[in-house]
Amino acid sequence: ILNVEQSPQSLHVQEGDSTNFTCSFPSSNFYALHWYRWETAKSPEALFVMTLNGDEKKKGRISATLNTKEGYSYLYIKGSQPEDSATYLCAWGHMEYGNKLVFGAGTILRVKS
Amino acid sequence: KAGVTQTPRYLIKTRGQQVTLSCSPISGHRSVSWYQQTPGQGLQFLFEYFSETQRNKGNFPGRFSGRQFSNSRSEMNVSTLELGDSALYLCASTLLPVGETQYFGPGTRLLVL
Repeated sequence: ILNVEQSPQSLHVQEGDSTNFTCSFPSSNFYALHWYRWETAKSPEALFVMTLNGDEKKKGRISATLNTKEGYSYLYIKGSQPEDSATYLCAWGHMEYGNKLVFGAGTILRVKS
Repeated sequence: KAGVTQTPRYLIKTRGQQVTLSCSPISGHRSVSWYQQTPGQGLQFLFEYFSETQRNKGNFPGRFSGRQFSNSRSEMNVSTLELGDSALYLCASTLLPVGETQYFGPGTRLLVL
């Protein structure tokens, strides 16, 4: 059974706080790790696709790291803003299965102003 | 460039009926994947089409089927609808076959009564 787990399930922070989430995935047959942000009533928005061990990606105040040997990725948000409120999903891509992604259940982030 | 479009956006059907959902990928994208999102299960992979061929399939019953046309537009069909098929159905398109960003459409919300 292929399992992608995300923690915490939900997070409530104050505006300006920095926060981070964890995504755990199978380390064998790894091909890619995707991060998405999904706001209510909108399409999931791609944040990062990471393929190399040790990879680090950054987009504005959001960054991510990848450890394929131990099977985890961290997503960091620096100085959270109310507009960062969303569900953050990670998805694991298997070496043999192309674009068939296995998604985690997501972390719900709520940022209070 | 226009994003991924899905039609219809909302649909109400009764048990036993069948339904067809449509997805138009981003221009130039040849891979289309379908996902089902339910509150209890999160995003689950249904199938992927590339160049009119099904490349990957998830663990769904045979009532779920799909196809892709020569212009890369894709349809998915669910026959003999069950209450449990009520869900948000998302499609995603990708430029390259493997490991690239999947761009999601807004989804079709299906309610089965």
